Amino acid sequence: SAVISQKPSRDICQRGTSLTIQCQVDSQVTMMFWYRQQPGQSLTLIATANQGSEATYESGFVIDKFPISRPNLTFSTLTVSNMSPEDSSIYLCSARVFGNEQFFGPGTRLTVL
Amino acid sequence: KQEVTQIPAALSVPEGENLVLNCSFTDSAIYNLQWFRQDPGKGLTSLLLIQSSQREQTSGRLNASLDKSSGRSTLYIAASQPGDSATYLCAVRRRGSLTQGGSEKLVFGKGMKLTVNP
Repeated sequence: SAVISQKPSRDICQRGTSLTIQCQVDSQVTMMFWYRQQPGQSLTLIATANQGSEATYESGFVIDKFPISRPNLTFSTLTVSNMSPEDSSIYLCSARVFGNEQFFGPGTRLTVL
Repeated sequence: KQEVTQIPAALSVPEGENLVLNCSFTDSAIYNLQWFRQDPGKGLTSLLLIQSSQREQTSGRLNASLDKSSGRSTLYIAASQPGDSATYLCAVRRRGSLTQGGSEKLVFGKGMKLTVNP
């Protein structure tokens, strides 16, 4: 299994600013992902974080808005740039272990005013 | 395109009942299926993972079955307790889903909100 931690757990930000969310996994994993969950909705995949190369973004998400880094096998960051109230969501880091099971972090609750 | 459906969207039951949660998917070419629970304002907790070659998995009071040919999975919860109250999500990982850039993503249902009343 894998235990995933995220920082911060929540934040309130002003319109136009940026927030970087950190994700740390306690063991080596094969893949890392970032999801968004808007109020009352299911999860939407933002991107797959690739180690040492550019992330793979899903349709509707772009690198300029959601830059992602993954400098090693167990750590990744997601930045939400130039925020607007529509970016208010829970952002979840996820990782897949070698047995193919996927685990999730506790999430970062973001409110943009 | 793979679609995952969970019906009903919500269920309220008295404590002690045995429950069956349903999940259906449109493309039977899956690699595996995973059940999660999510408590309000929290992340997802993995409950059970079923590989495509398996028919069921059990963990404590939980049992998940998989019927690929009919595109269905069920999560059985025995002797439900108030602590089982949460949203339950089903997700499938497609087989051979290496799209451009190599993303192999889980496709989620919208979840089923379970309330177990004492």
